[in-house]
Amino acid sequence: EAGVAQSPRYKIIEKRQSVAFWCNPISGHATLYWYQQILGQGPKLLIQFQNNGVVDDSQLPKDRFSAERLKGVDSTLKIQPAKLEDSAVYLCASSSRDPSGRPRGKGTGELFFGEGSRLTVL
Amino acid sequence: GQSLEQPSEVTAVEGAIVQINCTYQTSGFYGLSWYQQHDGGAPTFLSYNALDGLEETGRFSSFLSRSDSYGYLLLQELQMKDSASYFCAVTTDSWGKLQFGAGTQVVVTP
Repeated sequence: EAGVAQSPRYKIIEKRQSVAFWCNPISGHATLYWYQQILGQGPKLLIQFQNNGVVDDSQLPKDRFSAERLKGVDSTLKIQPAKLEDSAVYLCASSSRDPSGRPRGKGTGELFFGEGSRLTVL
Repeated sequence: GQSLEQPSEVTAVEGAIVQINCTYQTSGFYGLSWYQQHDGGAPTFLSYNALDGLEETGRFSSFLSRSDSYGYLLLQELQMKDSASYFCAVTTDSWGKLQFGAGTQVVVTP
């Protein structure tokens, strides 16, 4: 079974530029998450999708960050304009839930993460 | 506010046993998970406790006490490959929203 795919793996930009990250979750996983992980910290949830609808985006800085999940599969996270403090690894994860959001498998705790996209803002 | 507290670093020798404690204060609680992350790698799921008690998976065990808002991960027969960061995480709603702690770096020495 293929894992969560993310691209690009690395990106270096200057402040005030824009950047976009792409994520392809595990096939059949209806729930998709974007996390931000700053060096030395735990992942912080930015946005959670159930199919193509947003479940939680309370910690997404909406003045500069946007995310979409068209057709309920792939997702894109965009930052425009970037700030120095946006330097981090952006992790995409998916989990197996049925269309109504109920968890399958090992319950609500198991997320499958991609390798992440490491962003450096200069 | 919401918080998950865990030690920042633990050092132990090969073959030893390490216990990583996690105390949490969150608006909702559905379960406690543990994840392992090697440098530059993706977090990988280790265990999940929704009910009080001990769950054992090979060399790793996880414990939960909901009344104490406390859990721990026990790593037995430590190996060099266990050197990594370990995160506790609380599922805070029925949609599976996961809130992570800051992580504990485990350093295994020969």
